[in-house]
Amino acid sequence: AQTVTQSQPEMSVQEAETVTLSCTYDTSESDYYLFWYKQPPSRQMILVIRQEAYKQQNATENRFSVNFQKAAKSFSLKISDSQLGDAAMYFCAYRSAQGQGGSEKLVFGKGTKLTVNP
Amino acid sequence: ETGVTQTPRHLVMGMTNKKSLKCEQHLGHNAMYWYKQSAKKPLELMFVYNFKEQTENNSVPSRFSPECPNSSHLFLHLHTLQPEDSALYLCASSQTGVVIEKLFFGSGTQLSVL
Repeated sequence: AQTVTQSQPEMSVQEAETVTLSCTYDTSESDYYLFWYKQPPSRQMILVIRQEAYKQQNATENRFSVNFQKAAKSFSLKISDSQLGDAAMYFCAYRSAQGQGGSEKLVFGKGTKLTVNP
Repeated sequence: ETGVTQTPRHLVMGMTNKKSLKCEQHLGHNAMYWYKQSAKKPLELMFVYNFKEQTENNSVPSRFSPECPNSSHLFLHLHTLQPEDSALYLCASSQTGVVIEKLFFGSGTQLSVL
């Protein structure tokens, strides 16, 4: 079974600075998808960014980018120009590319709580 | 507007009570999910429904009973729960198809079992 590990329970960053959140995963599969979800105090989880394992190019979404190292099974999230609204729990998640009957079954890490200091 | 609405937002219940959690999605999705979020643990997938049919039961105790009357509504019926069942219960939905779709989550029900 796949596992996702987020080794940083908490991180903090100064507003406008850059922070990197770590994520490693364990899988024997060669094709899969990786995600970062954000959970603000409102508790609603929102997709931040996703990466297809077959793509070598790292995904970017505005101030959010990933460093995907397939051989190392590492998938870190970099937040540039941090804003107060970035404060949240961040969850790394894995999805197998194998057939899932049409549904999206994700394996999540424990999360990293990000604090943004003004 | 999240598109996925969960009620109630908070719930306190005794171990002998019976209660239900409700989830409704207004996104036209075909798949709906229940996740359990406990402190310092990864989110745990509990159940998956695809076109109203249950396609996943992740070894969840029978004191949790899901119901999906249609593609827009999902319930989680609770009875004789244990204190360790206290957690945030999140509902999510997605559109089935060929492409990989993201999950849309509700804001969850914070459950406390006394």
